[in-house]
Amino acid sequence: GAVVSQHPSRVICKSGTSVKIECRSLDFQATTMFWYRQFPKQSLMLMATSNEGSKATYEQGVEKDKFLINHASLTLSTLTVTSAHPEDSSFYICSARPARTSYEQYFGPGTRLTVT
Amino acid sequence: QQQVKQSPQSLIVQKGGISIINCAYENTAFDYFPWYQQFPGKGPALLIAIRPDVSEKKEGRFTISFNKSAKQFSLHIMDSQPGDSATYFCAASPSGNTPLVFGKGTRLSVIA
Repeated sequence: GAVVSQHPSRVICKSGTSVKIECRSLDFQATTMFWYRQFPKQSLMLMATSNEGSKATYEQGVEKDKFLINHASLTLSTLTVTSAHPEDSSFYICSARPARTSYEQYFGPGTRLTVT
Repeated sequence: QQQVKQSPQSLIVQKGGISIINCAYENTAFDYFPWYQQFPGKGPALLIAIRPDVSEKKEGRFTISFNKSAKQFSLHIMDSQPGDSATYFCAASPSGNTPLVFGKGTRLSVIA
């Protein structure tokens, strides 16, 4: 149990285009999902906290107009990178917290974004 | 106040040995302490977690030791195997719907 999927696993896009990444909790409902960014050999950097049915809470320094987050259901959250630039290239990982607990957090497999 | 300090940054252990990774925190509101294992190109996987009401938790070869007074917790991997070679992250959070605070990670290499 507690499986989180992400789609796509890898995406290459041209500078200036937008990319949408999906995060799904497959076998549980998640009232809260989190989006992280990870650079090579570094720790996870929290970008935003997403609660179902409400606006996401963004961490300081994260542009909310550039990284659009939608948590439309208890099993799906999406991250859209708008007008992507090469500096947005990174490993994006989502995680989901089951509605039954206020502690555990399960991560997806990540999405490698490359902007050319 | 929000930091979780993790050490060592990297660790090399012989096959069959014990791997020990340590974390320290300052925020006394933290009451959930998980460890995650991450392989290259993959998302972190929840390995084991502890709450402050116990001082130790064991799951298979993995043990968390927790010292509330010292505000420290550690991960012990017994009989370390080459397949354990990965990056390990400690984390902490207070109760409620708040994000985890992660340590910087430890790259473990288990050599035969």
